[in-house]
Amino acid sequence: DIRMTQSPASLSASLGETVNIECLASEDIYSDLAWYQQKPGKSPQLLIYNANSLQNGVPSRFSGSGSGTQYSLKINSLQSEDVATYFCQQYNNYWTFGGGTKLELK
Amino acid sequence: EVQLVESGGGLVQPGRSLKLSCAASGFTFSNYGMAWVCQAPTKGLEWVASISTGGGNTYYRDSVKGRFTISRDNAKNTLYLQMDSLRSEDTATYYCARHRRTGFDYWGQGVMVTVSS
Repeated sequence: DIRMTQSPASLSASLGETVNIECLASEDIYSDLAWYQQKPGKSPQLLIYNANSLQNGVPSRFSGSGSGTQYSLKINSLQSEDVATYFCQQYNNYWTFGGGTKLELK
Repeated sequence: EVQLVESGGGLVQPGRSLKLSCAASGFTFSNYGMAWVCQAPTKGLEWVASISTGGGNTYYRDSVKGRFTISRDNAKNTLYLQMDSLRSEDTATYYCARHRRTGFDYWGQGVMVTVSS
């Protein structure tokens, strides 16, 4: 099974700041990686797929990068509505999620 | 508008069964694979099971193999999850999600399953 390790587990940042969340796969997943945002009490929403492709309707301040086993999600100019938990997911071999990163405002 | 609406959750005793349903609308249901994903209280997401467009191929996480069965009725635009021999560790919110090759692009609102005596 492919394991996905996210870091940090939690993060506190100020409005307007740039935030980075990391995701490490236990083996090469060839950019078969998605990022999801889950706001409190809501269902997850797809943000990024293929490691760096923005899902329709997602603000351009979100971006993804990486290859092989290392991936990251970047949020530029943090907004209050970005407070959420973020999950990475690999879909190279079945489907596995990372443990999540809870993003709060400082 | 794509909509996925789960139902069938509730409180059930360990060892008993429950069947979840997910009613789909706003897209051609038979053109998409579908999945169930669970989330234990205050925990992360776990993929549970997936099914192909016609239902001929099914996939399960190890911990539910032999206990859970995913199925679909394309005439009724409905996805199902039959959950047998339930355990306390199955307690979670269960989401149905539309599958594409590159992730799960639409999710339902979730339904709570509590396994407790």
